[in-house]
Amino acid sequence: DARVTQTPRHKVTEMGQEVTMRCQPILGHNTVFWYRQTMMQGLELLAYFRNRAPLDDSGMPKDRFSAEMPDATLATLKIQPSEPRDSAVYFCASGRWGATNEKLFFGSGTQLSVL
Amino acid sequence: GENVEQHPSTLSVQEGDSAVIKCTYSDSASNYFPWYKQELGKRPQLIIDIRSNVGEKKDQRIAVTLNKTAKHFSLHITETQPEDSAVYFCAASYRGGSNYKLTFGKGTLLTVNP
Repeated sequence: DARVTQTPRHKVTEMGQEVTMRCQPILGHNTVFWYRQTMMQGLELLAYFRNRAPLDDSGMPKDRFSAEMPDATLATLKIQPSEPRDSAVYFCASGRWGATNEKLFFGSGTQLSVL
Repeated sequence: GENVEQHPSTLSVQEGDSAVIKCTYSDSASNYFPWYKQELGKRPQLIIDIRSNVGEKKDQRIAVTLNKTAKHFSLHITETQPEDSAVYFCAASYRGGSNYKLTFGKGTLLTVNP
């Protein structure tokens, strides 16, 4: 059963530290999304890629967040410097754009706590 | 961009009753409407989806209806069971061209009481 893999599952860090979250999309999927989930805002889209090219990162605070796809099997989301308001669950999701069945599959998420 | 409103934010029903969750969307170009279920501490998982060329779709106890004119769609769960307790998210996107962005509602916490 193919799954989107995210690491780490949990991260506790201090304000000002760099945080890197990683995602391995399902093999063959050409679209990768980063979502942030909080109680107040629900699921917010931060950025997404198709065929490794960034298509939209308008939801991401540009001064501290960056998202990349160094290759088809790895997507990263970095926060530098981190702040307490960044505390949330960060989900990666992947899908196959252009296919007839365009389901989006989510990873297990990274629970981030910035103290 | 697309804006999705979801109601109610919480819903409590007795086991065996039906549950209905409603969503409205703003972009008339949206043509794909999935629903996700998220159990506590777990990932969101797709449970059913509908495209704009269809008005209703059913899968066992779950059904989704779409009214394109009014720009709203609903999730119906019949004969609810305790394991249906979860947060349910609706979403909308336009499938076509170069865009594939899924915008989510804020979620509905459904509690099914035994």
